[in-house]
Parts: sequence; structure tokens; C-alpha cells
Amino acid sequence: GAVVSQHPSRVICKSGTSVKIECRSLDFQATTMFWYRQFPKQSLMLMATSNEGSKATYEQGVEKDKFLINHASLTLSTLTVTSAHPEDSSFYICSARRASIVNEQFFGPGTRLTVL
Amino acid sequence: RKEVEQDPGPFNVPEGATVAFNCTYSNSASQSFFWYRQDCRKEPKLLMSVYSSGNEDGRFTAQLNRASQYISLLIRDSKLSDSATYLCVVTTGGGNKLTFGTGTQLKVEL
Repeated sequence: GAVVSQHPSRVICKSGTSVKIECRSLDFQATTMFWYRQFPKQSLMLMATSNEGSKATYEQGVEKDKFLINHASLTLSTLTVTSAHPEDSSFYICSARRASIVNEQFFGPGTRLTVL
Repeated sequence: RKEVEQDPGPFNVPEGATVAFNCTYSNSASQSFFWYRQDCRKEPKLLMSVYSSGNEDGRFTAQLNRASQYISLLIRDSKLSDSATYLCVVTTGGGNKLTFGTGTQLKVEL
């Protein structure tokens, strides 16, 4: 199956700092990548859809100026949590969709963010 | 009303038992349907797609009822390794957007 990596897997930071999370498709080209967030005992919630070479599409209620997404190549998307606060502590998961397969998304292993 | 609803459980069953999970979805325009499995603190992994005709993969059987907007998953002869959270997932928006249920937790015990 297709492989998606995320880095870092875990990050602890102070309130007010910015954190960058990378999502890479290792063995395929991903025209579309998705960023999800999962709070404890809750479902994954889609934050934004990232298309290579264009601006990300954010879901309702997600602040685009706070969660900066860059999809500069067909294998890399980044999510930057700017001025992180404790309420941003969550499990952030990316997924990537192969150009040839519309419905299947391959998930990265997730990044656990803790903001102190 | 949530777009995808599941009983959170937990379902505690003995090894070898048969267990069934249900899921309902609210958007009648939903196009594709899946069951994912998520282990604690890990990413979700695709278990199987769900079709109206029903599909089976080993000990797992999934069924979709579009009229009732209802999806089911049956696990036969459950193993300890089946312990996980099972997520019901539907797609909308041309297949782009995955909407996840909160998941049903299964604990298989000796």
C-alpha cells in the first residue's frame, strides 16, 4: 500500500510559539492532501483540503490565518499552527490521495501536539 | 444531529464471539462508505469498503442500506487483536471529503 509519513510524531511547545508539521507521500504523487484533527474520544474532523500549487480550502470554523497550509509539491504538504495555545493541543493527522484513485486516502501516522 | 452516528461502546466480548456494529448517516447524497480501524494513538487504517450488495473479507462482513442510511459491520470469531476503535466513514463532495463517526470501541477479552 501507499506510504504517508508525518514529522514530527510528537511535539511539545510553549504557548505562543509556532509549530510546523510535515506530511509526505513517500511512494506516490498526491494531488490532494487533507489535514484532520482529533481530540480525545472524538472523531477525526477535517480541517482543510490542500491541492498542490493552489490555496487550501478550509472547513467552516477553521481559521486559515492560524493554520497555515502549504502544498508546494506533489509529495509534501505542511501545516503550521501559528501562535499555538493549549486548546490547540490535539492529534493532527494528514492523508494523501493518489491522483489515480479518487476515493482512497492514505493516512500518515499522526502528530501529537501538546501546547503548554 | 451528527453526520455520522455510532454507538461509542465499549463492546466487551469474549474471544470467539460474533459482534455487530451499526452506523447511520444523515446526508442522503453520501457516495461511498467505509469502515476504518483505529488503534489507540494511531492513525486510522482502512478495513473495508461497504457496498449495497454487501461484502465479506474473511471474518468481516459489511452491509449498506441506502434507503435507511444505515451501515453495519459484523465480526465473526473475534480475536484479541481485533480490539480497536472501528470508525464508520462516508464520503461526500465528489468523494473528496471523508466524514468520520466518533467510532465504536471493541475490547475482545480472554
